[in-house]
Amino acid sequence: AQSVAQPEDQVNVAEGNPLTVKCTYSVSGNPYLFWYVQYPNRGLQFLLKYITGDNLVKGSYGFEAEFNKSQTSFHLKKPSALVSDSALYFCAVRDLISSGSARQLTFGSGTQLTVLP
Amino acid sequence: DTAVSQTPKYLVTQMGNDKSIKCEQNLGHDTMYWYKQDSKKFLKIMFSYNNKELIINETVPNRFSPKSPDKAHLNLHINSLELGDSAVYFCASSRGQERGNTQYFGPGTRLTVL
Repeated sequence: AQSVAQPEDQVNVAEGNPLTVKCTYSVSGNPYLFWYVQYPNRGLQFLLKYITGDNLVKGSYGFEAEFNKSQTSFHLKKPSALVSDSALYFCAVRDLISSGSARQLTFGSGTQLTVLP
Repeated sequence: DTAVSQTPKYLVTQMGNDKSIKCEQNLGHDTMYWYKQDSKKFLKIMFSYNNKELIINETVPNRFSPKSPDKAHLNLHINSLELGDSAVYFCASSRGQERGNTQYFGPGTRLTVL
């Protein structure tokens, strides 16, 4: 079964500094990886995804993610953090369910990012 | 324009009651989902419908029954509500089942069972 792990529950970074939110994955075959962000009392918003091609994927709000097959990682990055980036970030992988009859998103446990002014 | 909408946004009810949450998407997608987010923010798939056909039914109590009257709507009915049902329920939709298709989420319904 596919899975993703977000090893950090909480990441704090000063405004203006680069930020990284970590994600590692475990899938059979080629991974299809996603990042979502959840602001307080809001739904999940899609940031970016990796399907194939360039290992550096650019997404919304200046975020990007680097796919690393040898390290089975898909870390989310931003060169200069904003206070408004403070939110809960989820990594996810899309793959078949156990019966093989459909595809689902399996989410990591989430990382709370706090950008300090 | 709201892409995926849910009603109500908040739902507070007593144990044992029956309640429904409605979801509508105007993206023209043919696959819709229900997710549950627990108090620790963990997200888990509950159900998925593709062209009104149930394709994912995870280990969810029978008290939960999804219904899809058409491709744009997916409702969730919950019977005999229990304290443990308190959570945020998210609806989502995507264009088909291809692996690379993005799922778009609604704003969530916060259910509190007293």
